[in-house]
Amino acid sequence: DAKTTQPNSMESNEEEPVHLPCNHSTISGTDYIHWYRQLPSQGPEYVIHGLTSNVNNRMASLAIAEDRKSSTLILHRATLRDAAVYYCILGKAGSQGNLIFGKGTKLSVKP
Amino acid sequence: EAQVTQNPRYLITVTGKKLTVTCSQNMNHEYMSWYRQDPGLGLRQIYYSMNVEVTDKGDVPEGYKVSRKEKRNFPLILESPSPNQTSLYFCASRGLDRRNQPQHFGDGTRLSIL
Repeated sequence: DAKTTQPNSMESNEEEPVHLPCNHSTISGTDYIHWYRQLPSQGPEYVIHGLTSNVNNRMASLAIAEDRKSSTLILHRATLRDAAVYYCILGKAGSQGNLIFGKGTKLSVKP
Repeated sequence: EAQVTQNPRYLITVTGKKLTVTCSQNMNHEYMSWYRQDPGLGLRQIYYSMNVEVTDKGDVPEGYKVSRKEKRNFPLILESPSPNQTSLYFCASRGLDRRNQPQHFGDGTRLSIL
């Protein structure tokens, strides 16, 4: 299974944009890039996913490099509630869809 | 409401006393998985199941058993629990059609083995 590399921790100021990087140099053509986050004392929750094109939803944006070897999760205006561990994961659709989580990036948001 | 339900949420027990953590989902998902979470180690997969009667080991399966007799249920069994299995456990489920559906997680079960 292809692996991802993320920084252990990042800090941000409230109401500023946050760019969370993820490297996945061994990604295959059928791997989707998934992002999940885990708020304190909760189970992980889905944030966004993409294959090749950049993606936007109400929570965040996902920017995918042209060679797909890296991606960036963008939170446009960080709030204190965005403080969480963010996981970048590669996974396939369909019957090979097992998702392997790593350690993620712990995001701290300062008021 | 789409849900993954784990029980119990908290359990303190003693070494060697068999226990089962139940997991149930109401979304007709094919895929279910168990993870354990320990400080500094992220989420590590214990076992997963791609469908009924199909289970596979994850990264840390030792000391655990699972079964998938029905699509909605995926219990985690600790036949002889030991203190190193004290951890926070999460169950998850996911649909495996071509829409690449997101994974849903339960609220977690905190196990303490004394």
